[in-house]
Amino acid sequence: DVKVTQSSRYLVKRTGEKVFLECVQDMDHENMFWYRQDPGLGLRLIYFSYDVKMKEKGDIPEGYSVSREKKERFSLILESASTNQTSMYLCASSLGGAWLGEKLFFGSGTQLSVL
Amino acid sequence: AQSVSQHNHHVILSEAASLELGCNYSYGGTVNLFWYVQYPGQHLQLLLKYFSGDPLVKGIKGFEAEFIKSKFSFNLRKPSVQWSDTAEYFCAVKSNAGNMLTFGGGTRLMVKP
Repeated sequence: DVKVTQSSRYLVKRTGEKVFLECVQDMDHENMFWYRQDPGLGLRLIYFSYDVKMKEKGDIPEGYSVSREKKERFSLILESASTNQTSMYLCASSLGGAWLGEKLFFGSGTQLSVL
Repeated sequence: AQSVSQHNHHVILSEAASLELGCNYSYGGTVNLFWYVQYPGQHLQLLLKYFSGDPLVKGIKGFEAEFIKSKFSFNLRKPSVQWSDTAEYFCAVKSNAGNMLTFGGGTRLMVKP
Protein backbone atom coordinates (compact mmCIF):
# COMPACT_ATOMS: atom_id res chain seq x y z
CA ASP A 1 0.00 0.00 0.00
CA VAL A 2 1.02 3.53 -0.66
CA LYS A 3 2.03 5.34 2.44
CA VAL A 4 1.79 9.10 2.78
CA THR A 5 3.27 10.29 6.02
CA GLN A 6 2.79 13.69 7.57
CA SER A 7 5.35 14.48 10.20
CA SER A 8 3.00 15.93 12.83
CA ARG A 9 -0.52 15.02 13.82
CA TYR A 10 -1.07 18.13 15.91
CA LEU A 11 0.75 21.47 15.91
CA VAL A 12 0.19 24.60 17.95
CA LYS A 13 1.90 27.77 16.78
CA ARG A 14 1.75 31.47 17.54
CA THR A 15 0.73 34.22 15.16
CA GLY A 16 3.68 35.35 13.08
CA GLU A 17 5.68 32.16 13.43
CA LYS A 18 7.08 30.40 10.39
CA VAL A 19 5.57 26.93 10.13
CA PHE A 20 6.78 23.92 8.17
CA LEU A 21 4.51 20.97 7.43
CA GLU A 22 6.29 17.97 6.00
CA CYS A 23 4.93 15.17 3.86
CA VAL A 24 6.68 12.07 2.54
CA GLN A 25 5.36 9.40 0.18
CA ASP A 26 6.99 6.05 -0.45
CA MET A 27 5.63 5.01 -3.85
CA ASP A 28 7.60 7.14 -6.28
CA HIS A 29 4.51 9.17 -7.16
CA GLU A 30 4.94 12.09 -9.53
CA ASN A 31 2.23 14.30 -8.08
CA MET A 32 1.89 15.65 -4.60
CA PHE A 33 -0.76 17.96 -3.18
CA TRP A 34 -1.49 20.07 -0.14
CA TYR A 35 -5.11 20.62 0.87
CA ARG A 36 -6.74 22.25 3.83
CA GLN A 37 -9.95 20.81 5.21
CA ASP A 38 -12.44 23.06 6.96
CA PRO A 39 -15.95 22.10 8.15
CA GLY A 40 -18.53 22.79 5.47
CA LEU A 41 -15.91 23.84 2.94
CA GLY A 42 -14.54 20.42 2.08
CA LEU A 43 -11.01 20.15 0.81
CA ARG A 44 -9.45 23.14 -0.87
CA LEU A 45 -6.26 22.82 -2.84
CA ILE A 46 -3.41 25.07 -1.72
CA TYR A 47 -0.56 23.96 -3.98
CA PHE A 48 0.43 20.94 -5.98
CA SER A 49 3.59 19.66 -7.59
CA TYR A 50 3.91 17.38 -10.60
CA ASP A 51 7.67 16.97 -10.48
CA VAL A 52 10.70 17.81 -8.42
CA LYS A 53 11.13 21.57 -8.12
CA MET A 54 7.87 22.13 -9.99
CA LYS A 55 4.88 23.69 -8.27
CA GLU A 56 1.54 25.09 -9.22
CA LYS A 57 -0.88 27.25 -7.25
CA GLY A 58 -4.15 25.72 -6.28
CA ASP A 59 -7.32 27.51 -5.30
CA ILE A 60 -6.08 29.19 -2.12
CA PRO A 61 -2.31 29.71 -2.27
CA GLU A 62 -2.20 33.06 -0.46
CA GLY A 63 -0.12 32.96 2.69
CA TYR A 64 1.51 29.66 1.76
CA SER A 65 4.52 28.44 -0.16
CA VAL A 66 5.83 24.97 -0.96
CA SER A 67 9.07 23.20 -1.59
CA ARG A 68 9.78 19.98 -3.46
CA GLU A 69 13.50 19.34 -3.53
CA LYS A 70 13.14 15.54 -3.64
CA LYS A 71 10.49 13.47 -5.33
CA GLU A 72 9.27 11.84 -2.15
CA ARG A 73 8.98 14.98 -0.03
CA PHE A 74 6.62 17.94 -0.34
CA SER A 75 6.72 20.69 2.25
CA LEU A 76 4.12 23.32 2.99
CA ILE A 77 5.38 26.58 4.50
CA LEU A 78 3.41 29.22 6.29
CA GLU A 79 5.75 32.20 6.17
CA SER A 80 3.94 34.09 8.94
CA ALA A 81 1.15 32.07 10.50
CA SER A 82 -2.19 33.74 11.10
CA THR A 83 -5.23 32.63 13.06
CA ASN A 84 -7.25 32.09 9.86
CA GLN A 85 -4.77 29.39 8.93
CA THR A 86 -5.95 27.23 11.80
CA SER A 87 -7.14 24.14 9.95
CA MET A 88 -6.58 20.48 9.15
CA TYR A 89 -3.90 20.16 6.49
CA LEU A 90 -3.90 17.10 4.27
CA CYS A 91 -1.11 15.95 2.02
CA ALA A 92 -1.85 13.63 -0.89
CA SER A 93 -0.01 11.99 -3.74
CA SER A 94 -0.95 10.35 -7.03
CA LEU A 95 0.86 8.35 -9.64
CA GLY A 96 1.06 11.03 -12.31
CA GLY A 97 1.36 10.89 -16.05
CA ALA A 98 -1.46 12.39 -18.09
CA TRP A 99 -3.98 12.28 -15.31
CA LEU A 100 -3.38 14.81 -12.64
CA GLY A 101 -6.04 14.29 -10.04
CA GLU A 102 -6.59 10.58 -10.54
CA LYS A 103 -6.80 8.46 -7.42
CA LEU A 104 -5.27 10.36 -4.56
CA PHE A 105 -3.63 8.75 -1.57
CA PHE A 106 -3.94 10.86 1.53
CA GLY A 107 -1.91 11.26 4.68
CA SER A 108 -3.48 11.30 8.15
CA GLY A 109 -3.52 15.07 8.30
CA THR A 110 -1.98 17.73 10.53
CA GLN A 111 -4.30 19.72 12.75
CA LEU A 112 -2.69 23.14 13.01
CA SER A 113 -3.84 25.65 15.59
CA VAL A 114 -2.52 29.19 15.35
CA LEU A 115 -2.98 31.17 18.54
CA ALA B 1 -14.22 27.82 -12.47
CA GLN B 2 -15.79 24.53 -11.63
CA SER B 3 -17.56 24.02 -8.34
CA VAL B 4 -19.06 21.08 -6.51
CA SER B 5 -22.10 21.20 -4.24
CA GLN B 6 -23.09 18.65 -1.66
CA HIS B 7 -26.41 19.82 -0.33
CA ASN B 8 -26.66 17.54 2.69
CA HIS B 9 -24.15 18.49 5.35
CA HIS B 10 -25.37 15.99 7.92
CA VAL B 11 -27.38 12.82 7.41
CA ILE B 12 -28.55 10.50 10.17
CA LEU B 13 -29.95 7.10 9.27
CA SER B 14 -30.84 3.88 11.02
CA GLU B 15 -29.16 0.67 9.99
CA ALA B 16 -30.71 -0.96 6.91
CA ALA B 17 -32.06 2.35 5.64
CA SER B 18 -31.30 3.34 2.08
CA LEU B 19 -28.83 6.12 1.41
CA GLU B 20 -28.57 8.74 -1.29
CA LEU B 21 -26.10 11.61 -1.03
CA GLY B 22 -26.41 14.38 -3.55
CA CYS B 23 -23.55 15.85 -5.58
CA ASN B 24 -23.91 18.50 -8.26
CA TYR B 25 -21.15 20.19 -10.18
CA SER B 26 -20.94 23.20 -12.41
CA TYR B 27 -18.91 22.55 -15.54
CA GLY B 28 -20.28 22.04 -19.00
CA GLY B 29 -17.53 19.96 -20.53
CA THR B 30 -16.19 16.48 -20.00
CA VAL B 31 -15.63 15.60 -16.38
CA ASN B 32 -14.28 12.81 -14.25
CA LEU B 33 -16.10 12.21 -11.00
CA PHE B 34 -15.07 10.74 -7.69
CA TRP B 35 -16.43 9.93 -4.27
CA TYR B 36 -13.98 9.81 -1.38
CA VAL B 37 -14.75 8.63 2.13
CA GLN B 38 -13.12 9.42 5.45
CA TYR B 39 -13.94 7.02 8.27
CA PRO B 40 -13.42 8.32 11.81
CA GLY B 41 -9.73 8.55 12.57
CA GLN B 42 -8.70 7.29 9.14
CA HIS B 43 -7.30 8.68 5.92
CA LEU B 44 -9.42 9.85 3.06
CA GLN B 45 -9.77 7.02 0.57
CA LEU B 46 -11.31 6.57 -2.84
CA LEU B 47 -14.76 5.00 -2.81
CA LEU B 48 -15.50 4.99 -6.53
CA LYS B 49 -14.83 6.94 -9.70
CA TYR B 50 -16.36 7.60 -13.09
CA PHE B 51 -14.26 8.30 -16.17
CA SER B 52 -16.39 7.11 -19.09
CA GLY B 53 -18.75 4.36 -20.19
CA ASP B 54 -21.56 3.01 -18.05
CA PRO B 55 -22.87 5.95 -16.00
CA LEU B 56 -23.74 3.62 -13.11
CA VAL B 57 -20.53 3.00 -11.23
CA LYS B 58 -20.06 0.43 -8.51
CA GLY B 59 -17.53 0.96 -5.78
CA ILE B 60 -16.35 -0.72 -2.63
CA LYS B 61 -18.57 -1.79 0.26
CA GLY B 62 -21.77 -1.91 -1.78
CA PHE B 63 -21.77 1.74 -2.79
CA GLU B 64 -22.72 2.92 -6.24
CA ALA B 65 -23.10 6.26 -7.98
CA GLU B 66 -24.93 7.35 -11.08
CA PHE B 67 -23.65 10.03 -13.41
CA ILE B 68 -26.53 11.98 -14.94
CA LYS B 69 -24.98 14.39 -17.39
CA SER B 70 -28.17 16.34 -18.05
CA LYS B 71 -28.51 17.08 -14.33
CA PHE B 72 -24.78 17.65 -13.68
CA SER B 73 -25.13 15.16 -10.87
CA PHE B 74 -23.22 12.22 -9.44
CA ASN B 75 -25.26 10.99 -6.49
CA LEU B 76 -23.95 8.29 -4.18
CA ARG B 77 -26.27 5.45 -3.16
CA LYS B 78 -26.34 2.39 -0.99
CA PRO B 79 -29.47 0.25 -0.61
CA SER B 80 -28.89 -0.70 3.02
CA VAL B 81 -26.44 1.14 5.25
CA GLN B 82 -24.51 -0.32 8.14
CA TRP B 83 -23.20 1.26 11.31
CA SER B 84 -19.71 0.95 9.83
CA ASP B 85 -20.68 3.35 7.04
CA THR B 86 -20.56 6.21 9.52
CA ALA B 87 -18.07 8.58 7.89
CA GLU B 88 -17.69 11.81 5.98
CA TYR B 89 -18.21 11.56 2.24
CA PHE B 90 -16.71 13.91 -0.32
CA CYS B 91 -17.65 14.29 -3.95
CA ALA B 92 -14.91 15.53 -6.30
CA VAL B 93 -14.78 16.58 -9.91
CA LYS B 94 -11.97 16.96 -12.39
CA SER B 95 -12.59 18.62 -15.72
CA ASN B 96 -10.56 18.04 -18.84
CA ALA B 97 -9.90 21.76 -18.94
CA GLY B 98 -7.96 21.76 -15.72
CA ASN B 99 -5.51 19.71 -13.76
CA MET B 100 -7.06 19.83 -10.34
CA LEU B 101 -9.68 18.02 -8.39
CA THR B 102 -12.38 20.22 -6.90
CA PHE B 103 -14.01 18.83 -3.77
CA GLY B 104 -17.45 19.41 -2.40
CA GLY B 105 -18.04 20.50 1.18
CA GLY B 106 -18.57 16.97 2.43
CA THR B 107 -21.51 15.14 3.99
CA ARG B 108 -21.27 13.66 7.46
CA LEU B 109 -23.22 10.43 7.65
CA MET B 110 -24.12 8.91 10.99
CA VAL B 111 -25.71 5.48 11.03
CA LYS B 112 -27.47 4.54 14.25
CA PRO B 113 -27.14 0.92 15.28
